[in-house]
Amino acid sequence: AQKVTQAQTEISVVEKEDVTLDCVYETRDTTYYLFWYKQPPSGELVFLIRRNSFDEQNEISGRYSWNFQKSTSSFNFTITASQVVDSAVYFCALRRETGGFKTIFGAGTRLFVKA
Amino acid sequence: KAGVTQTPRYLIKTRGQQVTLSCSPISGHRSVSWYQQTPGQGLQFLFEYFSETQRNKGNFPGRFSGRQFSNSRSEMNVSTLELGDSALYLCASSLGTSGATDTQYFGPGTRLTVL
Repeated sequence: AQKVTQAQTEISVVEKEDVTLDCVYETRDTTYYLFWYKQPPSGELVFLIRRNSFDEQNEISGRYSWNFQKSTSSFNFTITASQVVDSAVYFCALRRETGGFKTIFGAGTRLFVKA
Repeated sequence: KAGVTQTPRYLIKTRGQQVTLSCSPISGHRSVSWYQQTPGQGLQFLFEYFSETQRNKGNFPGRFSGRQFSNSRSEMNVSTLELGDSALYLCASSLGTSGATDTQYFGPGTRLTVL
């Protein structure tokens, strides 16, 4: 069975704080893809990053960074120096290589960044 | 490039009615996927269409159906509406030719309320 767990339901931080959103996944597949999406109040999901199971390199994009660790089945997302515009719901997702677009999403973490 | 558009944005129906939602993908994209988002169940995959054929299907009853036209536009239909069908319905488009690695771009969603 495949599953994505985002244990943090809501996180509240003050602007300029760093914040890490946790994601733990379960799959028996050796090839799979992990994603992070941002859902602002407007509703559409905004793609942030895709990582395949063979690429454990951490990635940094501006204030965003991702830490993928197969040993712990985790794909955590860190926002450095958070800003009010980062307030949104963030989803971690898992897709099998043979599953097409049957993406399994976590429950999401709602991030509040206060000025 | 225009993004994914969904119409209508908001819809109110009563139990027993049927509803049709529309999604226009990004130009050049041939895959359209539909997702249901509810507070209780989160984001769940409904189905995916590619070149007018349903390529993947989630675990939803037959009341949920869809189709795709030759111009890649897709419609989703829900018959005999139930209160539990109240949700945000999200459409995602992608090229559809790179399997699970394709990046999906989401529309703003249609908020359906069933009274």
